[in-house]
Amino acid sequence: KAGVTQTPRYLIKTRGQQVTLSCSPISGHRSVSWYQQTPGQGLQFLFEYFSETQRNKGNFPGRFSGRQFSNSRSEMNVSTLELGDSALYLCASSLYSGYGETQYFGPGTRLLVL
Amino acid sequence: GNSVTQMEGPVTLSEEAFLTINCTYTATGYPSLFWYVQYPGEGLQLLLKATKADDKGSNKGFEATYRKETTSFHLEKGSVQVSDSAVYFCALSDQGSSNTGKLIFGQGTTLQVKP
Repeated sequence: KAGVTQTPRYLIKTRGQQVTLSCSPISGHRSVSWYQQTPGQGLQFLFEYFSETQRNKGNFPGRFSGRQFSNSRSEMNVSTLELGDSALYLCASSLYSGYGETQYFGPGTRLLVL
Repeated sequence: GNSVTQMEGPVTLSEEAFLTINCTYTATGYPSLFWYVQYPGEGLQLLLKATKADDKGSNKGFEATYRKETTSFHLEKGSVQVSDSAVYFCALSDQGSSNTGKLIFGQGTTLQVKP
């Protein structure tokens, strides 16, 4: 089976712009989670989607949003980019949503905000 | 709140040395515990998991035992190789009130293995 794929892999934006990142889960997986990884804050949970519904959201401002489509693919959007949004954004998929479910990660999208 | 604490790195070892990376957790319920590994420029790969007390997860020579009495999940390997050089993350998934798959990660421990 193909793994989790994320596009694009690298992105450079300027402050104030917006960006959309895409994630395709492993075939058959219905849950998608997003995480932000930075040197200072480490890995932080952004949100989780299951069957097109947001099930949980981390402690991030409203500029961070996401959605999931009927084929389980997911997108996340960051509006009005700030320098501090520079990070590696990781997507993970699992069969179902629930504690104990194993999450499989994609390679990430590295976002640089100038 | 729920949290994971890992030993600070970097950890530098010679090839074939014994590895231990300490991980302790705080959780309100009965969490599932995971170890992930991240190689340079890549995403996270699941290394092993354990879902209940006294479970031992193992993979590629790595082992970790879920110790509820000490709230620990230490990662061990008997003989490390240069190719094991990477960042290792301990994580938990707790039942909580939201009952979702949210993972809480430790800060990561960098392992460097020298030939």
